[in-house]
Amino acid sequence: AQTVTQSQPEMSVQEAETVTLSCTYDTSESDYYLFWYKQPPSRQMILVIRQEAYKQQNATENRFSVNFQKAAKSFSLKISDSQLGDAAMYFCATVTSGSRLTFGEGTQLTVNP
Amino acid sequence: EAGVTQFPSHSVIEKGQTVTLRCDPISGHDNLYWYRRVMGKEIKFLLHFVKESKQDESGMPNNRFLAERTGGTYSTLKVQPAELEDSGVYFCASSQAGGLNYGYTFGSGTRLTVV
Repeated sequence: AQTVTQSQPEMSVQEAETVTLSCTYDTSESDYYLFWYKQPPSRQMILVIRQEAYKQQNATENRFSVNFQKAAKSFSLKISDSQLGDAAMYFCATVTSGSRLTFGEGTQLTVNP
Repeated sequence: EAGVTQFPSHSVIEKGQTVTLRCDPISGHDNLYWYRRVMGKEIKFLLHFVKESKQDESGMPNNRFLAERTGGTYSTLKVQPAELEDSGVYFCASSQAGGLNYGYTFGSGTRLTVV
């Protein structure tokens, strides 16, 4: 079974600054994917970034990047140049061959102007 | 392309009543998933359809929950009779193919409140 842990229920950041959201996971699978999803007040779950476990290079998507430490089973999300629109609940998730997503508890990010 | 559509967006029912949630996946997506988030907790898997067949329903909490996917198109999730602990946000997601290299598209969820 997979588990995902997000130890920061809430985080805040000043606009234009950088923030890092933490995520650790546990899986016995060798082949898996990791995701960060964003859920704004509209409730639509939006994929932010995806990392394939067999790739050592950290994924990046514009202002969003991850620090993937496979041995430590850590998958943190860094948001650079934070914008007001980044305010949302962020969920870390993993998926293996069973195809179901396993989510963490979420981190509520506040962006202060 | 239309996204994943869920309705109603919000439902308030009394304990003991029945509620049916509906999910319309993206056209052509064979895989359909239901997830639930109870207030303040993680999002948990409920079940997975491949076309009209239940691939994995191990996350269904009990037999008060019944999911169907007619003709491999839209899906319904019925809760009968509803209990207070069923309150939460129910998400539906769809994907085009199985395997690990795919993307999920989520709906906006149905917020269910049982009073």
